[in-house]
Amino acid sequence: GAGVSQSPSNKVTEKGKDVELRCDPISGHTALYWYRQSLGQGLEFLIYFQGNSAPDKSGLPSDRFSAERTGGSVSTLTIQRTQQEDSAVYLCASSLGVAQETQYFGPGTRLLVL
Amino acid sequence: AQSVTQLGSHVSVSEGALVLLRCNYSSSVPPYLFWYVQYPNQGLQLLLKYTSAATLVKGINGFEAEFKKSETSFHLTKPSAHMSDAAEYFCAVIVYTGFQKLVFGTGTRLLVSP
Repeated sequence: GAGVSQSPSNKVTEKGKDVELRCDPISGHTALYWYRQSLGQGLEFLIYFQGNSAPDKSGLPSDRFSAERTGGSVSTLTIQRTQQEDSAVYLCASSLGVAQETQYFGPGTRLLVL
Repeated sequence: AQSVTQLGSHVSVSEGALVLLRCNYSSSVPPYLFWYVQYPNQGLQLLLKYTSAATLVKGINGFEAEFKKSETSFHLTKPSAHMSDAAEYFCAVIVYTGFQKLVFGTGTRLLVSP
């Protein structure tokens, strides 16, 4: 079946602008994760959604970052007033939501803030 | 806190040679460990995972890893490297903080020469 999809694949923006990144998880997966991959920080967890429950936002680096998940499926990660240090690859993953279940990753969105 | 350490940011091998990528874990509870591969400009693809069923885990593309509790290691091996194995490899551990998230190592870039 279809895997995790993300859009856009690449995004170039100017400092101070807002950006929205989209993730479509695998159908039937209740758990959804956002990670960020950057040169300085490696792969780091950002936020976790499980079904319709309130998300765990413990990994968000600042209040400029927010995310929502509509209908327990599609998720949008929003970065407001982007800064150059936000430049990174943003990866989305989904899983069945049970213990030790594999997380399946999308291709990522490469964000460049000029 | 649970974590993984990957020794060597870069590993170079010749085509046909043994591949050995090192990963050591730190955990006070039985860990659940993963190896992911990332090809250029792509997302993360699961190679294999250890969930305590067997200490020797076989994955895709001829890779395998052995869980050694005495050495707190989960090294990734492949008997004979192919040019197509050139990629970045990440070891990861599941960490529970009310939910499960992946904590990644810093990655090892595998270079394969003819």
